[in-house]
Amino acid sequence: QSVLTQPPSASGTPGQRVTISCSGSTSNIGSVTVNWYKHLPGTAPKLLIFNYNQRPAGVPDRISGSKSGTSASLAISGLQSEDEADYYCAAWDDSLDVWLFGGGTKLTVL
Amino acid sequence: QVQLQESGPGLVKPSQTLSLTCTMSGASISSGSYYYNWIRQPAGKGLEWIGRVYSDGNTNYNPSLKSRVSISVDTSKNQFSLKVASVTAADTAFYYCATEEFDWFDPWGEGIKVTVSS
Repeated sequence: QSVLTQPPSASGTPGQRVTISCSGSTSNIGSVTVNWYKHLPGTAPKLLIFNYNQRPAGVPDRISGSKSGTSASLAISGLQSEDEADYYCAAWDDSLDVWLFGGGTKLTVL
Repeated sequence: QVQLQESGPGLVKPSQTLSLTCTMSGASISSGSYYYNWIRQPAGKGLEWIGRVYSDGNTNYNPSLKSRVSISVDTSKNQFSLKVASVTAADTAFYYCATEEFDWFDPWGEGIKVTVSS
């Protein structure tokens, strides 16, 4: 039920900048907030970005979020080995009355 | 700060009811305006939102699971719970609880692995 579409994988070398996209519709990304989570399987997912582009305390400013229309993006600059994880976008859908997650993007640091 | 911990059986037989509890520490579950959520991740798949209960007891469920799911709050124990009825192998997953004070999930519990098998 991944109504939010993410690329299944992304990669980059240390120091590079990578972006992960999340495509939705007017009933979710287009009208409400989008959040991003970092997840290492078997551990607690971590809030990375809320309200499109806000960082919780402790998240470095090399991580940023943006939104345009019905799509959102997560950007990670100065890529580090610790960034290797799965990344999920999430948004509430006003039509379905459900929280939606993207299918997840596995980020590999080469 | 608020911390969450899931608990419950790690193995459930097919057709039975899966029951999990999330215990909150660092804050009272009856104070504030929180949603209390359950989210799961089947092996090799992405995250799936199961549903949530508000601090006043109102609930929202994922339509794909609504007929089998129940989420409730026990303020006396500072816990909220998940029940999934008539489970099958497709319900095998890591199950996470998470609080939602505004429009995002934070924090999350560490998760609990539940296997449905005879």
